[in-house]
Amino acid sequence: DQQVKQNSPSLSVQEGRISILNCDYTNSMFDYFLWYKKYPAEGPTFLISISSIKDKNEDGRFTVFLNKSAKHLSLHIVPSQPGDSAVYFCAASDSGGYQKVTFGTGTKLQVIP
Amino acid sequence: KAGVTQTPRYLIKTRGQQVTLSCSPISGHRSVSWYQQTPGQGLQFLFEYFSETQRNKGNFPGRFSGRQFSNSRSEMNVSTLELGDSALYLCASSLGQGLGNTGELFFGEGSRLTVL
Repeated sequence: DQQVKQNSPSLSVQEGRISILNCDYTNSMFDYFLWYKKYPAEGPTFLISISSIKDKNEDGRFTVFLNKSAKHLSLHIVPSQPGDSAVYFCAASDSGGYQKVTFGTGTKLQVIP
Repeated sequence: KAGVTQTPRYLIKTRGQQVTLSCSPISGHRSVSWYQQTPGQGLQFLFEYFSETQRNKGNFPGRFSGRQFSNSRSEMNVSTLELGDSALYLCASSLGQGLGNTGELFFGEGSRLTVL
């Protein structure tokens, strides 16, 4: 039972353009959402998060949008850079984010110079 | 400050053997979570420990177990290894509760287990 779904296993974007990574969830109890980035041979690193009481959160080139009614969130990267090439994991939790974090299967982003 | 340290980084075992993986969290972090990463499955939650107590457990068989020590270091054990246990095992630490806890997990580089 995949409660957090990333339906696109891969995405290719030209440098300078916008990257949009999508994530859907099924558990309506989730109240905190996070995005992690993972390079090969490294552990995932935290990128950005959003609480369910918000619908948008920005941090530099990264913006996360949350649509609770659709149980959908997306990560926008503008402008995309070659160093952004990595696997991006969407994650969610129902306990303020610290007890059990459920991850999606990841989307591999390739930014083409 | 030092990050999350996992040992060993790589190991090869044969079916039926058992394995113990170790994780040292960031100083001051009291929560340690374990995840299994396999191709196409993303990160599957194994369990989470806080102050030596297991607070949450994922849907894995009883062959997978863990524990946390008083210094917050954690170990996970897999007994009677199967071929399907081959994966990257990731440990993550966080404050676990209280002010300043954003829920952000800090991951180690993982332990790559190959079962032959």
